[in-house]
This record gives sequence, structure tokens and C-alpha cells, in this order.
Amino acid sequence: EAGVVQSPRYKIIEKKQPVAFWCNPISGHNTLYWYLQNLGQGPELLIRYENEEAVDDSQLPKDRFSAERLKGVDSTLKIQPAELGDSAVYLCASSFGGPNTEAFFGQGTRLTVV
Amino acid sequence: QKEVEQNSGPLSVPEGAIASLNCTYSDRVSQSFFWYRQYSGKSPELIMSIYSNGDKEDGRFTAQLNKASQYVSLLIRDSQPSDSATYLCSSVGTASKLTFGTGTRLQVTL
Repeated sequence: EAGVVQSPRYKIIEKKQPVAFWCNPISGHNTLYWYLQNLGQGPELLIRYENEEAVDDSQLPKDRFSAERLKGVDSTLKIQPAELGDSAVYLCASSFGGPNTEAFFGQGTRLTVV
Repeated sequence: QKEVEQNSGPLSVPEGAIASLNCTYSDRVSQSFFWYRQYSGKSPELIMSIYSNGDKEDGRFTAQLNKASQYVSLLIRDSQPSDSATYLCSSVGTASKLTFGTGTRLQVTL
């Protein structure tokens, strides 16, 4: 069974440019998370979806970040415009059965804003 | 106060010894707890989940949970150099939010 798939693996962009990340969760997993991880820190939640509904986006900087999960399967996370401080690893995870069940992470997208 | 706290380490243990990784959490509502292993440059990999007070064993790994003390731990028996990684403790608390600690770096020495 395929795991969580993310693309691209790496992205380098200039500040003020837009960028998008894509995630395909494990088949059948209705819960999808986007996390941000800075070097030496634990993952920090950006947004959680239950099917196509964003049930927790309280920590998503909505002035520049947006996310969608059309049809309750794959998801995209967008940043526009990117800032230098957005350089980090963006992780997608999914779980079957809600947040109290085991979540599995994709390989992540390492974003560098220059 | 952070919701999930871990000592950043590094925790250094000799090969073959028991590594003990500790974690405390502040949200008394928390019911589900997970340990992840993260190698440098890689994404977190789930090792153990624990939901009830007591011990849960899986191979060389034992997770321990004490809800009264708000304390979670992970024991790794017969530590191997390949166990050298950062171990992330996480919990699901208020509003069903999955929150992570900053991780403890483990070094297993030959």
C-alpha cells in the first residue's frame, strides 16, 4: 500500500513569489494534516481536514496561506506571497478514523525562500 | 508552558543499553499519545501509540503512560546505532489537536 505522497520534494523560490505543495493521503484516510517543521523543532499544525472540511485552521496564517481538499482526497497548500521566514519543511500526514488514530507522514517538501 | 515538553538532549547511551525518553503534557484532556522517530533530513515515522495508563510493548520498544502525572515515556531496549535519531512525543488534546514536542535527540554509541 502506498504511503502519503507529497510533491515536490524540494522547492526554491524568490521571496514574494507564490508556491504550492501537493499531498495525496493514504487511500481511505479521511483525516489530512498539513504541518510545518523548522529545524530543531517539532511539527506545528497548520490545518486539519476531516474529509473535505477544514475543521482546524486556527494556526494557518490566512493572509498568505491557503489550503484546499477538493473531493476529500488530495490536498494543496499554497503560499502567496512567500516570505523569507516561510523557509521550512512542509509535512502532510493522514489518518483513518480521526485525530485520535495513528497519523502517517509523507516525505515532506523542503521550501527555501531566497 | 508548551503543551508537550521534551528534553532536547542529546541523550547518549551505549550500544545494548536501555534508552529512556521522557515527555510531559499539560492538557489534561489528552487521551491519545504517539511516539515518532525522525532521522535527520527525513519525515517522522510512527513507532508507538498508547491510549491507556500502563505499559505497551512492541518488540524492543515500550511506551508508558501515566495520566495522573501527565507523563509519557518510551523505553528502547538493546539500543542499536540505528536507533540514533530524534524522538518526537505527541498528544491529542483539546479540540482534537495533534501536538508535538520539540523532540529528544538520541545517540547510541559503539
